[in-house]
Amino acid sequence: DVKVTQSSRYLVKRTGEKVFLECVQDMDHENMFWYRQDPGLGLRLIYFSYDVKMKEKGDIPEGYSVSREKKERFSLILESASTNQTSMYLCASSHIRLAESSYNEQFFGPGTRLTVL
Amino acid sequence: GQNIDQPTEMTATEGAIVQINCTYQTSGFNGLFWYQQHAGEAPTFLSYNVLDGLEEKGRFSSFLSRSKGYSYLLLKELQMKDSASYLCAVRVNDYKLSFGAGTTVTVRA
Repeated sequence: DVKVTQSSRYLVKRTGEKVFLECVQDMDHENMFWYRQDPGLGLRLIYFSYDVKMKEKGDIPEGYSVSREKKERFSLILESASTNQTSMYLCASSHIRLAESSYNEQFFGPGTRLTVL
Repeated sequence: GQNIDQPTEMTATEGAIVQINCTYQTSGFNGLFWYQQHAGEAPTFLSYNVLDGLEEKGRFSSFLSRSKGYSYLLLKELQMKDSASYLCAVRVNDYKLSFGAGTTVTVRA
């Protein structure tokens, strides 16, 4: 089974703290993604990475950074947490897309519910 | 920007059929996904359409019309365990998925 794991299910931090969210996948996927999920807004892409040390901004990168030093691990960093970053954070991974018919579906981790006080 | 619309909530009775519609206007189109997400859990892949037509997978079917920017997910013979959120997502390029806000389906006994 494909497995995407995230370091914490629940996390409570204080405003201004530096926060690290870790994601590990065991299927040798090239692509990894970080989303946040908020009620009524759906999943929004923060950052993604298509290779080690490569990263691309998604739709809402402000206030976040990422690190991918190894293929299986993708970290999301909140440099200075703020209350508006309270959310569910989901990590996902997928293979590269080789053909139009290729599914290359994204596999998701269980999520980290982050509360910033 | 990307615009993907789906109803917020739907309720149906056990054993019935429910159709969840999704309309999209996106900068690119490389396929449409449906995911299921139970409360407090990760989204899991249900179906993928890249060509027009119907894809059937057991009790679940998904339809796509690219010219109309429209898809639906059909859930047949509803079971209590089908109570979940259903997410429509468009692959807008080789990497990126844009998601709708999700449709919460409640199955009543």
